[in-house]
Amino acid sequence: GENVEQHPSTLSVQEGDSAVIKCTYSDSASNYFPWYKQELGKRPQLIIDIRSNVGEKKDQRIAVTLNKTAKHFSLHITETQPEDSAVYFCAANKWSTGNQFYFGTGTSLTVIP
Amino acid sequence: DSGVTQTPKHLITATGQRVTLRCSPRSGDLSVYWYQQSLDQGLQFLIQYYNGEERAKGNILERFSAQQFPDLHSELNLSSLELGDSALYFCASSVVESGGEQFFGPGTRLTVL
Repeated sequence: GENVEQHPSTLSVQEGDSAVIKCTYSDSASNYFPWYKQELGKRPQLIIDIRSNVGEKKDQRIAVTLNKTAKHFSLHITETQPEDSAVYFCAANKWSTGNQFYFGTGTSLTVIP
Repeated sequence: DSGVTQTPKHLITATGQRVTLRCSPRSGDLSVYWYQQSLDQGLQFLIQYYNGEERAKGNILERFSAQQFPDLHSELNLSSLELGDSALYFCASSVVESGGEQFFGPGTRLTVL
């Protein structure tokens, strides 16, 4: 099955700096890669996603890049703010005979004011 | 508020018991996903239903079962509970069968004593 690895597990940045979280996946047939943000005690919320036919997607301060050859994708947050502090999860999904979602282990991001 | 509801919010029970967790998807969403989130294992995909039919299975134990009813609400049944089953159980819904944004419910915190 699919294996998603996420790094780093914890990340601290100064307010205004950029944060980068990386994920690798093992199944080259995976074709949908969402990123979720989970604040303490709350539900995960989708912040951005990318499909395998696209190399990069941007939404204001958040961007995701996908390298299908290397089987990795990354979340980039620019001009970080304290409210960006949360746990971020990447996931990989392959729609074929099944629709399983495989999540990374999460990155706890702390933005220091 | 995502529009996905889960009941109960908290559940405390003893080992060996059986519990049922309930999820109502957003209006119009046909897909329901179940996830288990524990401290040391992140988000684990359990099972997905689409319009009443099972679509994908993840790391769901044989002691666990689920179903989706004609009104599209779903129930996750956990039996012969063990201490290790203590976790936060999320359901999520999506309008599409695969590769679409998932909206998470607030979760049910299960504590097995």
